[in-house]
Amino acid sequence: EVQLVESGGGLVQPGRSLRLSCTASGFTFGDYAMSWVRQAPGKGLEWVGFIRSKAYGGTTEYAASVKGRFTISRDDSKSIAYLQMNSLKTEDTAVYYCTRDYSHFDYWGQGTLVTVSS
Amino acid sequence: DIVMTQTPLSLSVTPGQPASISCKSSQSLLHSDGKTYLYWYLQKPGQSPQLLIYEVSNRFSGVPDRFSGSGSGTDFTLKISRVEAEDVGVYYCMQSIQLPVTFGQGTKLEIK
Repeated sequence: EVQLVESGGGLVQPGRSLRLSCTASGFTFGDYAMSWVRQAPGKGLEWVGFIRSKAYGGTTEYAASVKGRFTISRDDSKSIAYLQMNSLKTEDTAVYYCTRDYSHFDYWGQGTLVTVSS
Repeated sequence: DIVMTQTPLSLSVTPGQPASISCKSSQSLLHSDGKTYLYWYLQKPGQSPQLLIYEVSNRFSGVPDRFSGSGSGTDFTLKISRVEAEDVGVYYCMQSIQLPVTFGQGTKLEIK
């Protein structure tokens, strides 16, 4: 059974950093790209970015709203994807989901809430 | 960016009746590889989104056959043949033919 479990969310002040983790199980993690999608309170879904599998260079792509501030990485030996969020803004407040990316998001984690507030 | 526009934004349906949601994209979602990169998701209350339909019309594993998807190019439709109480939530269409991946605004389905 495919499982994705996010962790690392919490309350953080504007301008500070936070790192989210997504621990995967039930599939060969290294074979898949992984994406992050967020959902602000009461709002719709917004793609944040993704990291390709090593077979495709392990490179990353980001939404314009987070480019230069957020970094996605992966540790295939641990089956973990990371979302490093720097220079956080109040508008980054959202539930962050990690997803398995197979040109679409077939499995999602339960999400972790990030609240950016002073 | 490709804009995804869903209609209606809300829907109230009697159990056993059909429901239909439209999704229009600002650009064609047909790729040169022959695939059309249009997907449907359902986010039930308090849950993560779940994949219903991939590449326009293919039901994901475990999705009941009362859900069906159709369309081509820029116009797509999700149909529920007979709505059940467990179908409540927000439905999203999504495109992944071009970055950034974009979603529709969501259509909230409630039961009458």
